[in-house]
Amino acid sequence: SQQGEEDPQALSIQEGENATMNCSYKTSINNLQWYRQNSGRGLVHLILIRSNEREKHSGRLRVTLDTSKKSSSLLITASRAADTASYFCATVYNAGNNRKLIWGLGTSLAVNP
Amino acid sequence: DAGITQSPRHKVTETGTPVTLRCHQTENHRYMYWYRQDPGHGLRLIHYSYGVKDTDKGEVSDGYSVSRSKTEDFLLTLESATSSQTSVYFCAISDTGGLIEQYFGPGTRLTVT
Repeated sequence: SQQGEEDPQALSIQEGENATMNCSYKTSINNLQWYRQNSGRGLVHLILIRSNEREKHSGRLRVTLDTSKKSSSLLITASRAADTASYFCATVYNAGNNRKLIWGLGTSLAVNP
Repeated sequence: DAGITQSPRHKVTETGTPVTLRCHQTENHRYMYWYRQDPGHGLRLIHYSYGVKDTDKGEVSDGYSVSRSKTEDFLLTLESATSSQTSVYFCAISDTGGLIEQYFGPGTRLTVT
């Protein structure tokens, strides 16, 4: 099964509202990243949070990480129609002598004007 | 799309034919990646490169090979395409190791009939 699993799978909100999406994972991680993908486009890196960090901000984005619960949340405040996209978490963890990167299946966010 | 191009953007090919996808970057980033994205599976890493002529396998490398003879180009070859390789293929680059902070190309939609 997927290392990173986002929920909800889909979210629909009105412009100006906040959007929260969550990511859960199964093994200890080095870091966790969030990416955005607009329809038909490549992914865009939003933010990285390391395993020793609990919260990080970037503009209207706030990411939290709870390693005891193996979960992260992405909060988008004051959402805009342009935030409509799919959001993915990606976890990096140690696997033997290598590092592995596992992607979640994404949360599809629709922001209605 | 941070100086990354992929070609072709769309391709339809027949089962059993060889196919080569090209990723070209103008950022001089050391690391390059090939992913495939499929509904229900999310993004999966096929191969990656950590320098000219230095490549390694990802989680779904069977049926694919790669080459990197120049910093700016990373080629993905399907030696004998199968219908299961119908997918959207993304190239990504990074100047940071550890599988983080990747910049993605626009994608190539490949259909194998």
